[in-house]
Amino acid sequence: QLQLQESGPGLVKPSETLSLTCTVSGVSIRSSTYYWGWIRQPPGKGLEWIGIIYDSGNTYYNPSLKSRVTMSVDTSKNQFSLKLTSVTAADTAVFYCAAHWRGGNWNDVHLKYWGQGTLVTVS
Amino acid sequence: SYELIQPPSVSVSPGQTARITCSGDALPKRGGYWYQQKPGQAPVLVIYKDTERPSGIPERFSGSSAGTTVTLTISGVQAEDEADYYCQSADTSGSYSYVVFGGGTKLTVL
Repeated sequence: QLQLQESGPGLVKPSETLSLTCTVSGVSIRSSTYYWGWIRQPPGKGLEWIGIIYDSGNTYYNPSLKSRVTMSVDTSKNQFSLKLTSVTAADTAVFYCAAHWRGGNWNDVHLKYWGQGTLVTVS
Repeated sequence: SYELIQPPSVSVSPGQTARITCSGDALPKRGGYWYQQKPGQAPVLVIYKDTERPSGIPERFSGSSAGTTVTLTISGVQAEDEADYYCQSADTSGSYSYVVFGGGTKLTVL
C-alpha cells in the first residue's frame, strides 16, 4: 500500500523559507504511475494545489505560487521536497503531500493517496 | 485561471439523499473528481472520472455529469457522511498545466 509522510518544521518566521519533505513508501518514486505533489489548506479554509514533480525533475506549479515554489526529488531516499520562499502569515496552513494518478492524459490527474498533513505556522 | 463553483453548504436528514454540485466551464472536457474530508483528517477520494467509485467507497456514493456541472450524490445519508466535500479537475492553459479544487461544500446531517 502506498503511503506518504510529511516532515519539516512546524514554525517558520516571516520572510524565511518553508521547507518540507515527503517520504514515500510502498512504491518507487521513479514510478511512471504517479506525479508527486503538494497541497495546502489554511485553517478553516479550502484546498489549494501547489504543484507536482515527476520523472525526477519535471514540474508543474500553481501559477499563483510559481514565483516562490521549488520542488525537488531525492530518488536515493524515495523522497520529494517543497520549498516556499518569502513566507507571510497568509502561508500558514496544513500542508499535504499526495500521489497524483497520472492516467492517460492530464485530464485524468487526481490525488489518489494523501499524507496525513503537517501544520506549518508562519509567525 | 479555471474555477470550480460549489455551494458552501448542504443539509439533509439521515436516510435522505444529498446532492452536491460543482460547476465549471471546462468540466465537459475534463474529468470531475470528488474528495471527502472529515475534521482533522486528510481528504479521501470518493469519485473519479465523474462516475467511478474507488474500491472501499460505499455504494451510496455516486457521481454524474451533465453539461458544465458534475454532481456527487449520497443516497441514504448516514451520520458518518457529515464532512466537507471538494470537487477537483485538471486543466491546461497555454504553457500551464494545473489542478484546481472547488471551494468545498460542508455536508451537515441533521
